[in-house]
Amino acid sequence: AQSVAQPEDQVNVAEGNPLTVKCTYSVSGNPYLFWYVQYPNRGLQFLLKYITGDNLVKGSYGFEAEFNKSQTSFHLKKPSALVSDSALYFCAVRDIRRSNYQLIWGAGTKLIIKP
Amino acid sequence: GAVVSQHPSWVICKSGTSVKIECRSLDFQATTMFWYRQFPKQSLMLMATSNEGSKATYEQGVEKDKFLINHASLTLSTLTVTSAHPEDSSFYICSAGTGGGQETQYFGPGTRLLVL
Repeated sequence: AQSVAQPEDQVNVAEGNPLTVKCTYSVSGNPYLFWYVQYPNRGLQFLLKYITGDNLVKGSYGFEAEFNKSQTSFHLKKPSALVSDSALYFCAVRDIRRSNYQLIWGAGTKLIIKP
Repeated sequence: GAVVSQHPSWVICKSGTSVKIECRSLDFQATTMFWYRQFPKQSLMLMATSNEGSKATYEQGVEKDKFLINHASLTLSTLTVTSAHPEDSSFYICSAGTGGGQETQYFGPGTRLLVL
């Protein structure tokens, strides 16, 4: 079965420190992977995606993610966290069984950056 | 680019009334639009997928007569919650796909519905 797992409900990081938000996936075939961020009472904003090519993907707001096929992971990273990065982060993978590129969503990880 | 708007941003209605939510892609044509529902502190639940000019595809367990979806143009999809009840209170979010083989969904800001 296809699935996405975000093993941490919450991640706490001090401002200025590097951050990592974890995501693992289970799909057949080549995965299309996405990261989105949601601020309180708002819709989701697209951060980055991996389709093919370089395993390190750079996205918005200084975020990047590394696709690791052997570990079936797509962890989101940022070298130096900002308080404004505090939000809810969702990992998603395209459901290859669906014709309209529907996404399978992780449960979300709340990121808290402390000053 | 890839901006999606939703209207209204919040709505309060009485039980039994119908509420219409609009989702527009402002700077691109969206062949596919998606409607999600999100409960507090939970992930997104896909309700339905709509393709312009055709009937929406509803996810299992979503009542199509309750949640009417219309995708009349490449830039507009509407979700109508018919005969709303308090249990329909939720955060509804739409997204629009840019098309092609590397589909990325761009999301609207969401609509918070409170049914009294």
